[in-house]
Amino acid sequence: EVQLVQSGAEVKKPGESLKISCKGSGYSFTSYWIGWVRQMPGKGLEWMGIIYPGDSDTRYSPSFQGQVTISADKSISTAYLQWSSLKASDTAMYYCARQGSSGYYPGYWGQGTLVTVSS
Amino acid sequence: EIVMTQSPATLSVSPGERATLSCRASQSVSSNLAWYQQKPGQAPRLLIYGASTRATGIPARFSGSGSGTEFTLTISSLQSEDFAVYYCQQYNNWPQWTFGQGTKVEIK
Repeated sequence: EVQLVQSGAEVKKPGESLKISCKGSGYSFTSYWIGWVRQMPGKGLEWMGIIYPGDSDTRYSPSFQGQVTISADKSISTAYLQWSSLKASDTAMYYCARQGSSGYYPGYWGQGTLVTVSS
Repeated sequence: EIVMTQSPATLSVSPGERATLSCRASQSVSSNLAWYQQKPGQAPRLLIYGASTRATGIPARFSGSGSGTEFTLTISSLQSEDFAVYYCQQYNNWPQWTFGQGTKVEIK
């Protein structure tokens, strides 16, 4: 069974750094793209970027380029999303999602990580 | 950049009735279109991919149609568990994932 398990909720102050994780299991971690999706409170889904853990090829949405860093450690089947300096506007739920088995749609989703940034 | 536009924003439907949700792409996405259901406090759930293929375990009352720029998700007879927000998403412009703004299906 494909599973994506994300790290727990975080409460941070503006200016702090943060790295959240998404651990894949039940499949070949290096063979499928994993993307990150933001959902601000009461809002829709926004694609942030995507990584291919096999060779760490990473692409970003223009809206998030330079704002976050996506990485992966294939030795522990884990993808990451990180910020160097959080803002209050980064408060949101963040989902990781794996490419589907039959195409490039996000077929499998993690449970989400709630990030709250407040002074 | 491809823009996905869903309509209506909110759909009020009685249990047992049919619901028809629309999604339009600003340029052709061929059949590279997926639909998701999201309930409060839950992650999105894949319903349809390839515009019309149901994902594993999705009931037959959910069906998708369309190609190019116009797509439809139909729920043939709404059950109580179907009241949720539905998103369309294109993956033709790989590696970008673009989502529509969502349609909320609420109880009439």
